[in-house]
Amino acid sequence: DAGVTQSPTHLIKTRGQQVTLRCSPKSGHDTVSWYQQALGQEPQFIFQYYEEEERQRGNFPDRFSGHQFPNYSSELNVNALLLGDSALYLCASSLRIGAAGANVLTFGAGSRLTVL
Amino acid sequence: TQLLEQSPQFLSIQEGENLTVYCNSSSVFSSLQWYRQEPGEGPVLLVTVVTGGEVKKLKRLTFQFGDARKDSSLHITAAQPGDTGLYLCGTGGGADGLTFGKGTHLIIQP
Repeated sequence: DAGVTQSPTHLIKTRGQQVTLRCSPKSGHDTVSWYQQALGQEPQFIFQYYEEEERQRGNFPDRFSGHQFPNYSSELNVNALLLGDSALYLCASSLRIGAAGANVLTFGAGSRLTVL
Repeated sequence: TQLLEQSPQFLSIQEGENLTVYCNSSSVFSSLQWYRQEPGEGPVLLVTVVTGGEVKKLKRLTFQFGDARKDSSLHITAAQPGDTGLYLCGTGGGADGLTFGKGTHLIIQP
């Protein structure tokens, strides 16, 4: 049973560029959340997608956007990259809100983004 | 957003020693989760505690949830190098996402 898969694992971009990160949730999960983890820090919630809609958003600017597809996979897009966007971007999947165990998240290994 | 305070922030001990990590809040937790994260990997859920006073054991790891559900602890007995990692407590996980503490960076030296 595959867990959460993310791609790419590592990438390097320059300031001002745009990036797209991809996530496939764990089998049976239909909700995807994205987190940003700066080096040496804890993960910070970016947003959550369920039924192809953004359900909630953390304290992140509109440069961060996302999408969820009918097969529950998801993308995270970041525009106009800043040096401070360098981080490990984690995708987590779970069951839908209200389901038993909905707050149990399964994390992927992350995508390490470096902005130069 | 509920604020979580974790301590200590860094801990380096010898193999075989015992240690305790703490997670506290000024607010009541509906539930609390403990994760371990190894370098280059995502956090992995260790346990979820829900009931005040609850104690859960996972091999050499013992998790306690305070009676008032405002604090939790993780105790590791006879630490091994494989226990090295970042230990995170977190709460929430619904539509508002998980809120994590700052984490405890644990190093077990052989």
